[in-house]
Amino acid sequence: QQQVKQSPQSLIVQKGGISIINCAYENTAFDYFPWYQQFPGKGPALLIAIRPDVSEKKEGRFTISFNKSAKQFSLHIMDSQPGDSATYFCAAEVSGGSNYKLTFGKGTLLTVNP
Amino acid sequence: KAGVTQTPRYLIKTRGQQVTLSCSPISGHRSVSWYQQTPGQGLQFLFEYFSETQRNKGNFPGRFSGRQFSNSRSEMNVSTLELGDSALYLCASSLEGKGVTEAFFGQGTRLTVV
Repeated sequence: QQQVKQSPQSLIVQKGGISIINCAYENTAFDYFPWYQQFPGKGPALLIAIRPDVSEKKEGRFTISFNKSAKQFSLHIMDSQPGDSATYFCAAEVSGGSNYKLTFGKGTLLTVNP
Repeated sequence: KAGVTQTPRYLIKTRGQQVTLSCSPISGHRSVSWYQQTPGQGLQFLFEYFSETQRNKGNFPGRFSGRQFSNSRSEMNVSTLELGDSALYLCASSLEGKGVTEAFFGQGTRLTVV
C-alpha cells in the first residue's frame, strides 16, 4: 500500500516557468510534510517542510500548498532554473508518534530547459 | 558543522557475501535512520535508532540488521547478499527523530551485488 502518491513521474519545464509537483496521502495521522531535492550522486537534501496548521509556506522560489481536507500537498517552483533540475521527493511523517520514519513518494524527475 | 558521513561510498560484493555500511551522524544528533533507494521502489525505510535503541523497523527480511553505538554512529549489515540488494543505502540523522526536527541525509553507499 503506497501511503504517499506523487505525480507526475517526470516533468519538463522551460526556464522561467512554474514547476508543480503534487502529492496525496492516505494516513490522516501524518502531520509533517517535507520535500527533498536530490541531485545525481547525492543524498536527498531538505528543501522545505510544512505542518498542517498552515495552508501555505513559502521560502524563496519554493512554495508548499497544503489541503488538509483533500489530503493533498504540492510543491511549486517559481521562475524555474536549469539548476533546479533534480529529482524531488515528497514525504510524510507522524511527528511524535511511535513510527519514527519518513514515508516517501516515488519521486519526480524535473528537467528545466534553458 | 560536518554533515552526515557514510562510508564507503561504493561497494561491489558477490552474492552470498555479507556487507557492513557505516554512518556518522551530525554532531549532537541522536536519531539515525536508514533507507534503501532503488529506481523501482524509491526510498524505503529500513530502521531507525535513537540512543542505541531500535525504535522502528521497516518491512525488510531479517538479513538486514543494524546497530547504533554510544557516540550515535550507526552501522547496518546485510548478510547473504542477493542481486536485488543492489541499491543506494542512505543514512539520515536528526536531533530527535519523530518528525520533530529536520532529517539530514548522507550521500549514501552505492552497493552493487554481482
